This record gives sequence, C-alpha cells and structure tokens, in this order.
Amino acid sequence: DAKTTQPNSMESNEEEPVHLPCNHSTISGTDYIHWYRQLPSQGPEYVIHGLTSNVNNRMASLAIAEDRKSSTLILHRATLRDAAVYYCILITSGTYKYIFGTGTRLKVLA
Amino acid sequence: NAGVTQTPKFQVLKTGQSMTLQCAQDMNHEYMSWYRQDPGMGLRLIHYSVGAGITDQGEVPNGYNVSRSTTEDFPLRLLSAAPSQTSVYFCASSYNRDYLNNEQFFGPGTRLTVL
Repeated sequence: DAKTTQPNSMESNEEEPVHLPCNHSTISGTDYIHWYRQLPSQGPEYVIHGLTSNVNNRMASLAIAEDRKSSTLILHRATLRDAAVYYCILITSGTYKYIFGTGTRLKVLA
Repeated sequence: NAGVTQTPKFQVLKTGQSMTLQCAQDMNHEYMSWYRQDPGMGLRLIHYSVGAGITDQGEVPNGYNVSRSTTEDFPLRLLSAAPSQTSVYFCASSYNRDYLNNEQFFGPGTRLTVL
C-alpha cells in the first residue's frame, strides 16, 4: 500500500490561509488522493479528493504536484472550527483499503 | 437520513468477555468498514466489506470477526476481549461503485475499555 508522510503539527492564525503538505513519493498512476479531517471527539469527515488536477470545493482546495509525488490541502481562511487532525490518504484501485497515517494536527490561533 | 449509526457509545468489558459493536447505515452504501483509533494515533483498518456476504481483512484483523448479511448492517464481534483492544472504534460507509471517487461517511464512534 502506498504511504503518505505529513508533518505532525502545524499552526495558523485565524483568518489566514493554511497550506497542509503531504508527500506520497510511491504513488501509482491509479491512486486517488483523499483528505479527511477529524475534529476533537468526532469521527473523521471528508474534505476533498483528486487524481491529477487541482480541485476546489466549498471547504478547501487541493493542489497536486505535476509528478503527483506530493499534494497540498489549502484552507483559504482558517477559522477556529478548522482546528483538527488532517489526514492525507491514498486510495488504490482494486484494494478498497483506506490507510490512514497519523495526520497533521492543525492548531488555529485566535 | 440518519447516516452511519453506532451502538453503544461507551462500553466497559472485562478481559475474556465477548461483545458485538453495532453499525448501521441508511444510505444504501455497498462499502462498509471498521477502524480502531488508539490514543494519539491515526485510524487503523480492521475489516471491510464491499457488499452483503463479502468481507475482507484490513491492517489489524486479529481478535475481531465480522459478517455482512444485509446491506445496512455491519457488526464487529470481539470474541474474547483483551486490554489491548481498548480503543475507539469507528464504522464507515460509502458507495462501492466508483469508490475511488466517493467519500466515506463515518459514525460517531464507540469508546471501548477492556479491564
């Protein structure tokens, strides 16, 4: 299973953009990149996903490197409610396995 | 839509006892899965199912059994609980078809303590 590497923690000021990096150097051509986040004492929730092109939705943007060996989740304006652990996951075609790493704990400062 | 529901929310067991964690979804999702999350750790996949009658092992299946007799339900059984199984357990579901392009929906979790 392809692995991802994320920083353990990051801090951001409220109302500022946040860029959360993820390295996946062993990604294969059919692996999708998914991002989930987990607020304190809750189950994970879906944020965004992509394959090759950059993606935008109401929650965030996903920027995928041209060689697909890394990606960045962008929160355009961090709020206190965005404080959570963010997980970058690779989903491989045919495996049905979602392998979570330890994620990045984002702290948002008021 | 209730989404993904899990019962119980909390459970305390003694070593050697058995129990079943319940998971149900009302979204007609084919794919369902179970994860455990230990303190300060990420989620680890225990078992998953791509449809009724089909189950497979994840990263940490030892000590757990599953079955999938209906689309809606995916119970997780602990046959003989051990303190190492103290954890928070999450159930999740998603559409199977084009699952690479679909999100997983997670339940609120069951906090299990084994003494």
